[in-house]
Amino acid sequence: DSGVTQTPKHLITATGQRVTLRCSPRSGDLSVYWYQQSLDQGLQFLIQYYNGEERAKGNILERFSAQQFPDLHSELNLSSLELGDSALYFCASSASSASTDTQYFGPGTRLTVL
Amino acid sequence: AQKVTQAQTEISVVEKEDVTLDCVYETRDTTYYLFWYKQPPSGELVFLIRRNSFDEQNEISGRYSWNFQKSTSSFNFTITASQVVDSAVYFCALNPSGAGSYQLTFGKGTKLSVIP
Repeated sequence: DSGVTQTPKHLITATGQRVTLRCSPRSGDLSVYWYQQSLDQGLQFLIQYYNGEERAKGNILERFSAQQFPDLHSELNLSSLELGDSALYFCASSASSASTDTQYFGPGTRLTVL
Repeated sequence: AQKVTQAQTEISVVEKEDVTLDCVYETRDTTYYLFWYKQPPSGELVFLIRRNSFDEQNEISGRYSWNFQKSTSSFNFTITASQVVDSAVYFCALNPSGAGSYQLTFGKGTKLSVIP
């Protein structure tokens, strides 16, 4: 158990809908990262937050957004969902914003868009 | 730009055999970190090891060992006396330590099947 929690574990929804994925980092970690794992793209970095502020952006679609709250939990919002958004979404956390920190991953949320 | 290549898509071995998973990386940064993660069938990503670019010493942890060779840009992972529980997808990842480098760049993964 990495100490990173993600809810829900599974999510099934329809095209055009909006969903929210939630992540709680390990105790004491200030950085949260979101990754998407799909069969064709592999594991791809989406976005990073550090202590409530956006720190880095990767291949995140405009339909997707995220935020980190004062209690350091983070939410990833996915809107106008398309079939291609079906994937496993991981949250990871690390102690600081340093790229040298080890990122510990949560169990993931499996999103299925029908 | 960073790139991680895991040329072996799938490997099958019989239990108790040794197996090596290859990882080759590309980066222009002189300082960087390399990682291995394990993704068992249950789906979570489990951290295995972190190695910085200045430390080329091989590392052994139980049945696991890692061979880092900067000259060939490789960071290979060997499992000795494989067990069924080692069946998983293994990912190699790179994180440069330059400014603005925060995300892990992952390889495509190697699926290891250990047959009893």
